Amino acid sequence: EGQLVESGGGLVQPGGSLRLSCADSEFTSFRTYALRWFRQAPGKGLEWVSSIGATGNIYYADSVRGRFTISRDNSRNTLYLQMNSLRADDTAAYYCAKGGSYDFGSWGQGTLVTVSS
Amino acid sequence: QTVVTQEPSFSVSPGGTVTLTCGLSSGSVSTGYSPGWYQQTPGQPPRTLIYTTNTRSSGVPDRFSGSIVGNKAALTITGAQADDESDYYCVLYMGGGNWVFGGGTKLTVL
Repeated sequence: EGQLVESGGGLVQPGGSLRLSCADSEFTSFRTYALRWFRQAPGKGLEWVSSIGATGNIYYADSVRGRFTISRDNSRNTLYLQMNSLRADDTAAYYCAKGGSYDFGSWGQGTLVTVSS
Repeated sequence: QTVVTQEPSFSVSPGGTVTLTCGLSSGSVSTGYSPGWYQQTPGQPPRTLIYTTNTRSSGVPDRFSGSIVGNKAALTITGAQADDESDYYCVLYMGGGNWVFGGGTKLTVL
């Protein structure tokens, strides 16, 4: 299925922005998968953040709608998450995953986002 | 707001069978919620075990099975092994593209 590798995490001040990337090492069928972002705050459970389907339909969790933007570049086998107006409660490990309509499939190793002054 | 409920913790003896459940604070879980189960060990990303109630993900051994039991989704582990000691998360599809996870169950094998 290939390997997903997230990047772009780091320390950012409240109100700042970051763009996460998720690169897929499999080059043949990336465009056929639904892609998703999840996050996990330190010591907490999993939270679904956003999805983009193979046909481009997009969904967001209420907690990030209006601040985060998901996108995909099938020519680069890469998923993105543009995060604006970041808040302390956005601090988390962010994971990408590729799968089917109801299957989250394979997951990346995650990238850590810390929002702090 | 609907909350997805899971047992906070559970223990099972090696070789034993355990059933973890996934419910709703209001209402019953049905196949229409497309319940899924995910396993996570400390410091690792989640791993997909089960989706759409009872479909095992590629490479998942058949001692993991999913079902609906009563008004909840269930994950049953048969013949528990030491490396099954993990956190297990269920997730339900709420419609409109929205997914909601339960708080997770910490499974101890001892």
